[in-house]
Amino acid sequence: QKEVEQNSGPLSVPEGAIASLNCTYSDRGSQSFFWYRQYSGKSPELIMSIYSNGDKEDGRFTAQLNKASQYVSLLIRDSQPSDSATYPCALNGSNYKLTFGKGTLLTVNP
Amino acid sequence: GAVVSQHPSWVICKSGTSVKIECRSLDFQATTMFWYRQFPKQSLMLMATSNEGSKATYEQGVEKDKFLINHASLTLSTLTVTSAHPEDSSFYICSASEVLGASQPQHFGDGTRLSIL
Repeated sequence: QKEVEQNSGPLSVPEGAIASLNCTYSDRGSQSFFWYRQYSGKSPELIMSIYSNGDKEDGRFTAQLNKASQYVSLLIRDSQPSDSATYPCALNGSNYKLTFGKGTLLTVNP
Repeated sequence: GAVVSQHPSWVICKSGTSVKIECRSLDFQATTMFWYRQFPKQSLMLMATSNEGSKATYEQGVEKDKFLINHASLTLSTLTVTSAHPEDSSFYICSASEVLGASQPQHFGDGTRLSIL
């Protein structure tokens, strides 16, 4: 079983809609979770971090963590064409090493 | 703040050439830096953890004699791909943390696209 799983997409949403991205993980000992945004040919950019169960909001972004069910999600409200990118989630495991998912490709259509 | 600079951004070279990639933390000191590799449509895969003043720790399956890592100062780590071959063509990315901890995010460099002919 892969450590971090994501639907690779593509996920297409119209401009202004809510985009919902999901990630499941297998390591119950993971404590920290991160959502990154990666444009084609570029390195990842940190969007959100979450450490406790529940929701965490930052502007148009909301991260949700459920450790019992081992999933973390990212909601993007009022999606913009500039949000079109791949969104890998990552978890911080032993020795503070990040394990990444493949990422979900999001396309926001004008 | 927390800017990581990576150089060069692009490298195209012949098979058998050794290539050095630099990773610098510009506005903070990084005791630990990480080196990743990403193939097209794949996830970032950690290659090694670079610790200032000590030997790097390599992930399983990564050849330490092929991917030489030097972390000579708190702001600079280098990755040298020795005798590179076409299968080494990939996107190499470094990252660094100001403080190593479970809740500390890693800041990524812009990456180096390596193409071996």
